[in-house]
Amino acid sequence: DGGITQSPKYLFRKEGQNVTLSCEQNLNHDAMYWYRQDPGQGLRLIYYSQIVNDFQKGDIAEGYSVSREKKESFPLTVTSAQKNPTAFYLCASQKVGFSRGAEQYFGPGTRLTVT
Amino acid sequence: DAKTTQPTSMDCAEGRAANLPCNHSTISGNEYVYWYRQIHSQGPQYIIHGLKNNETNEMASLIITEDRKSSTLILPHATLRDTAVYYCIVRAGGSQGNLIFGKGTKLSVKP
Repeated sequence: DGGITQSPKYLFRKEGQNVTLSCEQNLNHDAMYWYRQDPGQGLRLIYYSQIVNDFQKGDIAEGYSVSREKKESFPLTVTSAQKNPTAFYLCASQKVGFSRGAEQYFGPGTRLTVT
Repeated sequence: DAKTTQPTSMDCAEGRAANLPCNHSTISGNEYVYWYRQIHSQGPQYIIHGLKNNETNEMASLIITEDRKSSTLILPHATLRDTAVYYCIVRAGGSQGNLIFGKGTKLSVKP
């Protein structure tokens, strides 16, 4: 069954700790994305990657880091430098080279709470 | 990518058709109209997308006006499980960039 998995669904951390959120896809998609969603708001882009070993900053990359060592995996690290890390984090992937218009598929999300 | 405008909220009776409008008056010729929905505390779910012809799939129909400045998402027989925030997004074909989600329309399906 193809799709995107994110784990864990809920994550609690103390302030000052780094935390890594997992995102795995078996859709054979080249592009992967990390978004952040705050209550009552739309999604904001943190980082995205269109190919293995390459990634670009999105609109709110400060305090976050990513890696893309494998096509299937795009983990996000929330560092202690992120001022307000408590949020709902969503990972997505998309097939590329598809001029007709390709949809992004989303994982179930990880709700991070930092106290 | 062009900006979209949607009503903040709408109600629909269970079993009736839900018609969700979206304005995208600045849409460019190569931009597609996408619809996603997000049920509370879940990831957004892709519904449908189109360029200029009307589209239909197992979830919904998409009606795009001839001038492409607006569109309507139709859920033909709304159920309580269709209660969600619905997002209309305009995006260039072949784009690999992010989707720009606005506030969307909160659809409440009532018994």
